[in-house]
Amino acid sequence: GENVEQHPSTLSVQEGDSAVIKCTYSDSASNYFPWYKQELGKGPQLIIDIRSNVGEKKDQRIAVTLNKTAKHFSLHITETQPEDSAVYFCAASGGQLTFGSGTQLTVLP
Amino acid sequence: SQTIHQWPATLVQPVGSPLSLECTVEGTSNPNLYWYRQAAGRGLQLLFYSVGIGQISSEVPQNLSASRPQDRQFILSSKKLLLSDSGFYLCAWSLGQINTEAFFGQGTRLTVV
Repeated sequence: GENVEQHPSTLSVQEGDSAVIKCTYSDSASNYFPWYKQELGKGPQLIIDIRSNVGEKKDQRIAVTLNKTAKHFSLHITETQPEDSAVYFCAASGGQLTFGSGTQLTVLP
Repeated sequence: SQTIHQWPATLVQPVGSPLSLECTVEGTSNPNLYWYRQAAGRGLQLLFYSVGIGQISSEVPQNLSASRPQDRQFILSSKKLLLSDSGFYLCAWSLGQINTEAFFGQGTRLTVV
């Protein structure tokens, strides 16, 4: 089955700096890669996703890149703000979603 | 628009007691439904998924079971809770099994004491 590894597990950045979270996956058949943001005590919310026919996707301050050859994908958040502080999960799917272990992002004011 | 409701939000249960968590989806038909568990500081583990009424697939052997009595209702149950069942339980839905977005409920924090 699919295995998704996510790094780092914790990340602290200064407000205004960029944050990068990286994930690798094992199943070359996976072709859908969503990212979720989970605030404390709440369910994860989809923030951006990318499919295997695309190498990069942007939505305002958030971007995701995908390298299918290397089987890794990354989330980039620019101009970070305190409200970006949350746990972020990557996932990969060729059928069922398999999630990474999460990254606790803290944006320091 | 589609919404997902999950309750209760928090639950404290003694070891050996039964469990019933309920999830309903509004605004869509024939969704795929999922139960995930999230242990403290860990990722999301898929427990059960269902593609239709009465159709349940189990991903991990558990002290838990799931049922789907109606198209948009998904129930997570246990006859006798264990301490290790403590965690954050999340219900989710999607409109397809492959390569579609999954939308999560707000979760239930279960503490077994």
